[in-house]
Amino acid sequence: GDSVTQMEGPVTLSEEAFLTINCTYTATGYPSLFWYVQYPGEGLQLLLKATKADDKGSNKGFEATYRKETTSFHLEKGSVQVSDSAVYFCALSDYGGSNYKLTFGKGTLLTVNP
Amino acid sequence: NAGVTQTPKFQVLKTGQSMTLQCAQDMNHNSMYWYRQDPGMGLRLIYYSASEGTTDKGEVPNGYNVSRLNKREFSLRLESAAPSQTSVYFCASSDRGRGYTFGSGTRLTVV
Repeated sequence: GDSVTQMEGPVTLSEEAFLTINCTYTATGYPSLFWYVQYPGEGLQLLLKATKADDKGSNKGFEATYRKETTSFHLEKGSVQVSDSAVYFCALSDYGGSNYKLTFGKGTLLTVNP
Repeated sequence: NAGVTQTPKFQVLKTGQSMTLQCAQDMNHNSMYWYRQDPGMGLRLIYYSASEGTTDKGEVPNGYNVSRLNKREFSLRLESAAPSQTSVYFCASSDRGRGYTFGSGTRLTVV
């Protein structure tokens, strides 16, 4: 079945540091890939997505490139801010059986210190 | 605003009690989902519905039932709540897998 493996946290960085959160996936079909963010006490927000190989998703300074050859979708940001402190989830959407389903990684907690 | 609405936002149950979590979407999506979120486990799929009148089990369906009342509404029922069902529950809807919209969640505690 489909699965997502992402870098375990927690990750602690200083403001303006470079961020990478690794994500790899296993899928039977041709999935779409997503990064979601969850701020403390809130629900999930879509951060960015990519629907086919070599697509780059970007939003709020975050980027991720769909790499089919390495089955990866790593999240990067050049300069993090304190306000980026949150839990980040990598996810894939694939069609299996009767419907599309979204499968999540376990999440990575990011803390950015001033 | 368009989106997914979940009720209630918070609930405390005693072991053995029953309750229904409600979810409604106004985006005309065919697919709807229920997930639970536990620390260190990410989000795990409980049940999903591809269209009105159909439902299927996800990864962790035991102890739950669902009803797809119509295209808008998808409810999750706990018939006899157990402490292991203490979690945060999220409902979501999807436009053919191209995008998923989540509700704000229900924090359930079973004592």
